[in-house]
Amino acid sequence: GAVVSQHPSWVICKSGTSVKIECRSLDFQATTMFWYRQFPKQSLMLMATSNEGSKATYEQGVEKDKFLINHASLTLSTLTVTSAHPEDSSFYICTGGGLAGQETQYFGPGTRLLVL
Amino acid sequence: ILNVEQSPQSLHVQEGDSTNFTCSFPSSNFYALHWYRWETAKSPEALFVMTLNGDEKKKGRISATLNTKEGYSYLYIKGSQPEDSATYLCAFNGDDYKLSFGAGTTVTVRA
Repeated sequence: GAVVSQHPSWVICKSGTSVKIECRSLDFQATTMFWYRQFPKQSLMLMATSNEGSKATYEQGVEKDKFLINHASLTLSTLTVTSAHPEDSSFYICTGGGLAGQETQYFGPGTRLLVL
Repeated sequence: ILNVEQSPQSLHVQEGDSTNFTCSFPSSNFYALHWYRWETAKSPEALFVMTLNGDEKKKGRISATLNTKEGYSYLYIKGSQPEDSATYLCAFNGDDYKLSFGAGTTVTVRA
């Protein structure tokens, strides 16, 4: 299957700092990527749809100014958590592979963020 | 938020035994049902994408069935092996392109 990398896998930061997470499709082009967040014992929740060359589409309740998404190329989407606070501590994971529908999504390994 | 539920939350099975667990989802506006296997410290891996009522899919010792009219899917593992230990996620796709995930069933196979 196709491979998606995600970096970093772990990050610990102080409250108020910004953290950038990269999601790369290594062997395919992804015009659309998805960003999810998972809190302990909960489901993966879609945060936003990242579209190459255009603005991301955010789910209800997700602050677009706090979670900045940039999809500048067909193989890279970045999620920046701006002015992170302890409540942003979570597991963030990206997928690529075309519009979800009936198409298989390929996942990155995820990034665990801890904000102190 | 669409209600996708997986049951049980976790289960333990003896090596060599077979097991199954469920995913329930809305029975309206069905488009596809995905199953993924997620091993610790790895990326979730796609198992099946199921689209038609009555679908049965198989991959090695793992198989899945789909009932879109009543809104459920079963995943079966035959002759469980330690390498089957993982969290199994289902995801529902309705009439948009988004996936709604269940919380997963964590399977632990005891040698």
